[in-house]
Amino acid sequence: QVQLVQSGAEVKKPGASVKVSCKASGYTFTYFYLHWVRQAPGQGLEWMGWINPNSGDTDYAQNFQGRVTMTRDMSISTAYVEVSRLRSDDTAVYYCARDIMQWQLRREFDYWGQGTLVTVSS
Amino acid sequence: DIQMTQSPSSLSASVGDRVTITCRASQTIRTYLNWYQQKPGKAPKLLIYAASTLQSGVPSRFSGSGSGTDFTLTISSLQREDFATYSCQQSYIAPPTFGQGTKVVFK
Repeated sequence: QVQLVQSGAEVKKPGASVKVSCKASGYTFTYFYLHWVRQAPGQGLEWMGWINPNSGDTDYAQNFQGRVTMTRDMSISTAYVEVSRLRSDDTAVYYCARDIMQWQLRREFDYWGQGTLVTVSS
Repeated sequence: DIQMTQSPSSLSASVGDRVTITCRASQTIRTYLNWYQQKPGKAPKLLIYAASTLQSGVPSRFSGSGSGTDFTLTISSLQREDFATYSCQQSYIAPPTFGQGTKVVFK
C-alpha cells in the first residue's frame, strides 16, 4: 500500500533552517510528482511547491521563493524540503502529498504523509 | 492567486442529517475542484476530485457538484465518523489554493 512517512517534530530558533524528509513506499517513487503543503495552527492549508522525483525539477510558491529548497534521493525514495531563515510564523505542520496521476502534474493530492510539526521559537 | 471561499465556516448537525458545504472561487476554475476531509491531528484525506469524482474507497454518501465558480459538497446522511473539517482546493491554475475549511460539529 502507498505510504509517505515523514521525519519527526523539530524545534528551531528564528533564523535557523529545518529539513523535513518524506519516505515513499508502495509505489514507484519516480512516477509521481510530490508536493509540500503546510498548515499553521488553527489555519488552512498552504501549498509550498512540488518536486518531480524523476528529474529533480521543482517549482515553488512565490511566498517561499528564496527560502525553500526541495530535493530528493531516488536511491532511498525520499523527498526533502528545507526551509531557511525561519520565522515564528513558519510554525506549522508540514505535509508531503503525492499527485494523483503518474507522470502528470494534476495538483490533486491522493496520499499524504502524517505531517511534521516544526516549531520556531526563541 | 485564485481565492477560495467556503461557507459556512462551521456548522452543527446530527447523525443522519443531510449536510451541504459550498465553495466559491474568485474566478472560473471549470471543474478543477477537489474536496478533502481532515480530522484533528491527522493529514487531509482526498474525498472528491474534478468536482464530482469520488476517490476510491470514499463512501457514496459523499457527493460533489458544480462548475465555473460555485461548488457544493453534500453528505447525504451524516455519520459519526464524518465529524471533521472539510476543505476545498482548486487545481486549475498554479498555485493550487485551498479554502479556509468548514468544521462540522455535533449538534
